[in-house]
Amino acid sequence: EDQVTQSPEALRLQEGESSSLNCSYTVSGLRGLFWYRQDPGKGPEFLFTLYSAGEEKEKERLKATLTKKESFLHITAPKPEDSATYLCAVPSSGSARQLTFGSGTQLTVLP
Amino acid sequence: DTAVSQTPKYLVTQMGNDKSIKCEQNLGHDTMYWYKQDSKKFLKIMFSYNNKELIINETVPNRFSPKSPDKAHLNLHINSLELGDSAVYFCASSRQGSNQPQHFGDGTRLSIL
Repeated sequence: EDQVTQSPEALRLQEGESSSLNCSYTVSGLRGLFWYRQDPGKGPEFLFTLYSAGEEKEKERLKATLTKKESFLHITAPKPEDSATYLCAVPSSGSARQLTFGSGTQLTVLP
Repeated sequence: DTAVSQTPKYLVTQMGNDKSIKCEQNLGHDTMYWYKQDSKKFLKIMFSYNNKELIINETVPNRFSPKSPDKAHLNLHINSLELGDSAVYFCASSRQGSNQPQHFGDGTRLSIL
């Protein structure tokens, strides 16, 4: 059965304090890994797709990396506006069109 | 322009009623989805649908049914609502292909009294 586990569940950082979020996965035949950001009362907003181990993607203060077992979302010098829940997801091995999501990391950046 | 839009944003109704949630996407995508997000914020797929194939998550009760009048719309009908149906329901769309990112609407918060 496909599994996606994110850690930590919640993370509080001071503004400017860099850190990383983890997403570990178990899926047969990885066909990509997606990172999303979700703000309260909103739908998940697509951030990155990673397709193969060793791949990296960057967007502003965010950098996503991928290994064969996990992905990291590195946040460099975060600002309060980076506060959100960050979700990762993988296409299910059973159905190519369905995503299996992790439960998310709720990030709070304090000014 | 809103890419994926859902209506209504909030839906409060009584147990036993039948209700519908509408979803429209203007991205030209081939595939649309419905997800349920529970109180613990866990997103779970309910349906995925394109003009050829409907895939139903086997855990979804048959009181839930998706209906697609055309490629840009996928509505969710729910019959005989139960207390446990209270959740936020998200519509999403993507291009065809397992490696295509999905784009989400802002959700419909369903509360059953």
